[in-house]
Amino acid sequence: TQTVSQSDAHVTVFEGDSVELRCNYSYGGSIYLSWYIQHHGHGLQFLLKYYSGNPVVQGVNGFEAEFSKSDSSFHLRKASVHWSDSAVYFCAVSGDYKVVFGSGTRLLVSP
Amino acid sequence: DMKVTQMPRYLIKRMGENVLLECGQDMSHETMYWYRQDPGLGLQLIYISYDVDSNSEGDIPKGYRVSRKKREHFSLILDSAKTNQTSVYFCASSLSGGANTLYFGAGTRLSVL
Repeated sequence: TQTVSQSDAHVTVFEGDSVELRCNYSYGGSIYLSWYIQHHGHGLQFLLKYYSGNPVVQGVNGFEAEFSKSDSSFHLRKASVHWSDSAVYFCAVSGDYKVVFGSGTRLLVSP
Repeated sequence: DMKVTQMPRYLIKRMGENVLLECGQDMSHETMYWYRQDPGLGLQLIYISYDVDSNSEGDIPKGYRVSRKKREHFSLILDSAKTNQTSVYFCASSLSGGANTLYFGAGTRLSVL
C-alpha cells in the first residue's frame, strides 16, 4: 500500500525567502516520486519526478527535490520564492499504475 | 497541443439524479484516471483505466462507475447522486501508467443538493 504524508497544511514565507515543503512516503516496492503544483481553480501540473540515480532532481521554475531512502522522504525546495509560487503543492507516489497523492501544502508567498 | 478537457466545468444536480462527467485527451494516452478533491483530503483515486474497456477500481469506487469506449474519452457516472458526492472531480491521463507524468484537466465542480 502506498501512502504519502505532507505534514504541513500551510506554509507562509516572504518573497525572496527559501522554502522547503516536506513529503514522507511509505511503499514496499520500486516507486516513482513526484511533485505537482495546483494554482487556484486549475488542475495539477507536473513539477518534477524521481525514480533512480542522483537523489537531487531539478524541476521547473527553480524547484528541486531530494530523495532520501533512509528517511522515506522527498522534500521540495526553492532557494528564492516569488509571489507567483503561491499555490498548493502535492507530493505523489506511484507504482505501476496507481498514483497516490498527499493532502497538499498550501504555500503563501507574501510580497 | 497536449490537453485534457473536462466537461462540464460546473454542475448542480439534485440528490437522486444521474450525473455524467466527461473527459477527453488528445495525446493518445493509454492510462486515464478519475480523482475527487475535497478540502484537507487531497486527491482520492476513484477509478483507473488502463485502456479501452479495461478499468480498475481505485480507493473510493463506491457510488461511481466509469466507461471508456474510445482511448481518448473516459466518463465518470454517478447513478443516483448523493449529497456526499459534492466535490471537485479531476480527470488525468498518462502515456502508460504511474511512471509517466500525469496531465490533468481543469476539473468539474459538482454540487449535489
